[in-house]
Amino acid sequence: NAGVTQTPKFRVLKTGQSMTLLCAQDMNHEYMYWYRQDPGMGLRLIHYSVGEGTTAKGEVPDGYNVSRLKKQNFLLGLESAAPSQTSVYFCASSYLGQGVEKLFFGSGTQLSVL
Amino acid sequence: GQQLNQSPQSMFIQEGEDVSMNCTSSSIFNTWLWYKQEPGEGPVLLIALYKAGELTSNGRLTAQFGITRKDSFLNISASIPSDVGIYFCAGQAGLLKTSYDKVIFGPGTSLSVIP
Repeated sequence: NAGVTQTPKFRVLKTGQSMTLLCAQDMNHEYMYWYRQDPGMGLRLIHYSVGEGTTAKGEVPDGYNVSRLKKQNFLLGLESAAPSQTSVYFCASSYLGQGVEKLFFGSGTQLSVL
Repeated sequence: GQQLNQSPQSMFIQEGEDVSMNCTSSSIFNTWLWYKQEPGEGPVLLIALYKAGELTSNGRLTAQFGITRKDSFLNISASIPSDVGIYFCAGQAGLLKTSYDKVIFGPGTSLSVIP
């Protein structure tokens, strides 16, 4: 009964370092997403994928890259971390139910960039 | 681009009180969703609304799809301490199952319940 699993849960980086966040879902969902959550700004979409091997930019894609080599996994990469990327990152997956995306979220990754 | 506004930004209420919050947009949405995020967790879907004027309940929660399709409302009756969290509204403009339309999230309403 895992749902959407994100690793790691916490990470501290120095400016300029790189890292990859991993998201895995076991619900056979086609769509996967990466959001960032900042105080007072809600959830903003970074990148998303509508199927294995496809990715697209969301609202705030700069400074991030993604890959979806397998249907169940969606990776978010930071090539050169900046303090502005300090945030809580959420992965989500969804299916189309009644023509509506119903998003299932992971529990988040708290990232601090010093 | 499309934006959603939520009010109030935060609420502090006594246990047992009823809660009302709303979500507004300058553009029309065809679906409204309400999510709750508890501390340290990701958002969880509470209620989905599909038609203008629709009123849907989930336990003590009731949500309404506004007639203008530009707003939605969430009410919580007889609040309890476990209602604490951030409540997000979300809208989707797409109509067809074959079309892809991203979900837009509001900034959230933070609810604190005083025992």
